[in-house]
Amino acid sequence: KAGVTQTPRYLIKTRGQQVTLSCSPISGHRSVSWYQQTPGQGLQFLFEYFSETQRNKGNFPGRFSGRQFSNSRSEMNVSTLELGDSALYLCASSFSRGLAAYEQYFGPGTRLTVT
Amino acid sequence: AQRVTQPEKLLSVFKGAPVELKCNYSYSGSPELFWYVQYSRQRLQLLLRHISRESIKGFTADLNKGETSFHLKKPFAQEEDSAMYYCALGQGGSEKLVFGKGTKLTVNP
Repeated sequence: KAGVTQTPRYLIKTRGQQVTLSCSPISGHRSVSWYQQTPGQGLQFLFEYFSETQRNKGNFPGRFSGRQFSNSRSEMNVSTLELGDSALYLCASSFSRGLAAYEQYFGPGTRLTVT
Repeated sequence: AQRVTQPEKLLSVFKGAPVELKCNYSYSGSPELFWYVQYSRQRLQLLLRHISRESIKGFTADLNKGETSFHLKKPFAQEEDSAMYYCALGQGGSEKLVFGKGTKLTVNP
């Protein structure tokens, strides 16, 4: 079974631009979560989608948004990029909701650099 | 607020020595605790979760609610255990994980 895939793997953008990152979960998985990883803050939860609905959102500004499609694929968008948005963005999928019951599988991440 | 603290950024042991990676958490509800591991050039992956009380690759972790700790232990470290280890806290009914900053374990030959 193919793992979680994220595209693109690397991205360089300029301040003020916007960016869209894509995540394809493992086949059959319906829950998708996004995390931002930086050296200073570590791994921080961005949001979670299940059945095309955002179920939880982390403490990030409104410039960060996402969506989930009917095939469970998810995208996240960051508008008006700032230098501090440079990070590794990780996507994780699980079969259903419930961390204790369903393992989250992480993708390789998208490395975003804002210049 | 939920918080996970891993006090050691770096931990170095010799092969065959016991290893303990510390994790303390702050959470007012009933915690769900996990250890994730990231080997060099690999993805973050689940190592174990407290609710299953299982031993994976010789690692165990016991939830101590009194001390709000979930330390990861292995009696005899192997070189292949060298990796980045993250402790994570989940909240019931949410997929949100709160991660610690991680501990880089190096097992020397």
